[in-house]
Amino acid sequence: GIQVEQSPPDLILQEGANSTLRCNFSDSVNNLQWFHQNPWGQLINLFYIPSGTKQNGRLSATTVATERYSLLYISSSQTTDSGVYFCAVEAGSYQLTFGKGTKLSVIP
Amino acid sequence: DAGITQSPRHKVTETGTPVTLRCHQTENHRYMYWYRQDPGHGLRLIHYSYGVKDTDKGEVSDGYSVSRSKTEDFLLTLESATSSQTSVYFCAISGEGGRAEQYFGPGTRLTVT
Repeated sequence: GIQVEQSPPDLILQEGANSTLRCNFSDSVNNLQWFHQNPWGQLINLFYIPSGTKQNGRLSATTVATERYSLLYISSSQTTDSGVYFCAVEAGSYQLTFGKGTKLSVIP
Repeated sequence: DAGITQSPRHKVTETGTPVTLRCHQTENHRYMYWYRQDPGHGLRLIHYSYGVKDTDKGEVSDGYSVSRSKTEDFLLTLESATSSQTSVYFCAISGEGGRAEQYFGPGTRLTVT
């Protein structure tokens, strides 16, 4: 099956800093999504982005499907951005395969 | 937020007992999913449904069964719970299977003693 690798596994930022999270995948995909799991466990859908670039406030995402990677940018980080960020892809089976996530800690 | 509820939210049960978790949606979405989340493994698909009475296995389906008799409800049953099934279980919904956004319920924390 398709492999999804996220980096870095852990990231600590000072409040106000910017960051880039990366998701590499091993095959072409029909669907790519980014999720945020907050410290209380809730999973929130951030972006549906099989290709191209999208922005939502301080967050933006870019997927380069031909090179099999996606990037999630967080600008001017806030403590509420803390949690785990997951990338998930679908490659023809109508099922999402998740990466193991990047744990982000934003400190005041 | 998508209208997805899970019940119970927390459960402790003994090894060998049957357990049923319920997922209820108010969005009339066709696809519903059950995942488990464990440290070091991320989220793994257990079973999914693509319509009433239409279900299929995911990556980690052994020891689990599912049923969907109504569009809004998707049940996950552990026939005989084992300690390896201690986990957090998430339900998700989607309008068009893997090719559309998935929205997650709040999760159920299950402990098997």
